Amino acid sequence: GDSVTQTEGQVTVSESKSLIINCTYSTTSIAYPNLFWYVRYPGEGLQLLLKVITAGQKGSSRGFEATYNKETTSFHLQKASVQESDSAVYYCALGATQGTGSKLSFGKGAKLTVSP
Amino acid sequence: DMKVTQMPRYLIKRMGENVLLECGQDMSHETMYWYRQDPGLGLQLIYISYDVDSNSEGDIPKGYRVSRKKREHFSLILDSAKTNQTSVYFCASSLLGGPYEQYFGPGTRLTVL
Repeated sequence: GDSVTQTEGQVTVSESKSLIINCTYSTTSIAYPNLFWYVRYPGEGLQLLLKVITAGQKGSSRGFEATYNKETTSFHLQKASVQESDSAVYYCALGATQGTGSKLSFGKGAKLTVSP
Repeated sequence: DMKVTQMPRYLIKRMGENVLLECGQDMSHETMYWYRQDPGLGLQLIYISYDVDSNSEGDIPKGYRVSRKKREHFSLILDSAKTNQTSVYFCASSLLGGPYEQYFGPGTRLTVL
């Protein structure tokens, strides 16, 4: 099957410090998985932060970056300098085509709190 | 304006009662989804709908059914709700095929007493 393992639970980082949230994936059925980072701000639904569909490529958005590494099956999320407004829950996800639709397998989420 | 809406946002029901969760989207997306999320777990897929009256079970369909009579509207139904169905339910939509970006609603927090 498909699965995603990521940094879980609470992550606390001081403002202006760097952040890394680890994500590794496993798949037995998908030759070319697509990888996603979603973010959920308080009171809102999940929204796409960034997406990479080609191994070796890097995605970036709002100062966050993630590189799709097929050799290590990893897709770690990084930011050089976090802000209080980055406080949210971050989910790594693996995408596959299912029938004529698509399916995402999510990690358990990491709740980031940025302290002033 | 690309938007997925969910109603109600909060719901409290007693065990054995029927539950109807509603989801709407304004993007004419063919594909819609229902997920649930429990503490310490990632989102789990309940059902996928590929278009009107074209639904498929996800990973945890037991105890749920869905209805899609219009492309922009997708309902999740719990017949005789159970306490272990207490959860936060998310609806999402996307273009057909992909895997494309999924657009999520804000969630419905359901408590079954």
